[in-house]
Amino acid sequence: DAGVIQSPRHEVTEMGQEVTLRCKPISGHDYLFWYRQTMMRGLELLIYFNNNVPIDDSGMPEDRFSAKMPNASFSTLKIQPSEPRDSAVYFCASSLGELVLQETQYFGPGTRLLVL
Amino acid sequence: TQLLEQSPQFLSIQEGENLTVYCNSSSVFSSLQWYRQEPGEGPVLLVTVVTGGEVKKLKRLTFQFGDARKDSSLHITAAQPGDTGLYLCAGISGSARQLTFGSGTQLTVLP
Repeated sequence: DAGVIQSPRHEVTEMGQEVTLRCKPISGHDYLFWYRQTMMRGLELLIYFNNNVPIDDSGMPEDRFSAKMPNASFSTLKIQPSEPRDSAVYFCASSLGELVLQETQYFGPGTRLLVL
Repeated sequence: TQLLEQSPQFLSIQEGENLTVYCNSSSVFSSLQWYRQEPGEGPVLLVTVVTGGEVKKLKRLTFQFGDARKDSSLHITAAQPGDTGLYLCAGISGSARQLTFGSGTQLTVLP
């Protein structure tokens, strides 16, 4: 398996523009997670899905952020409009089952976003 | 909010030295995981500890879960340059089906 795939790997945009990040989870995994990593705040969970349904979006910073999972093999994280403080590395991760005890979460390589 | 604090934040050592990284919380976790992240990549799971007092070894890495399941440590023996990376601990609580990540320890092993 190719692992979790994210695109683009790097994105540079100007403040106010719409940004769309994409993720393809590992085939057969029922859970998909979006994280954001910054030096100041570390790795933070934004939202996660189970069988394409959003379960917990309490980590989404504000209404400018939205995430969708139209099918089991694809998810998007959209920022509209983008702001400089959104600059971070965004990771997508997937797991076979629910995160209890010894379940393993697999991370993608991340999308490095820079908003000017 | 359950917080996981890691120490030290940065660590630079010479090849062959031993080191210990700590992960502490005031909350109890049902399990705790350790990840290593290299530049430009996502975190990769190293180990999961579940039982209080549990010790797991992965070659030169020894992981321990505190008796009260609130803290953990990672000990590396005879560090090598290939051990360089960001080490993250992450806890899973009994109720929240999600990982809470620690602040991370950036380890640099100099040849």
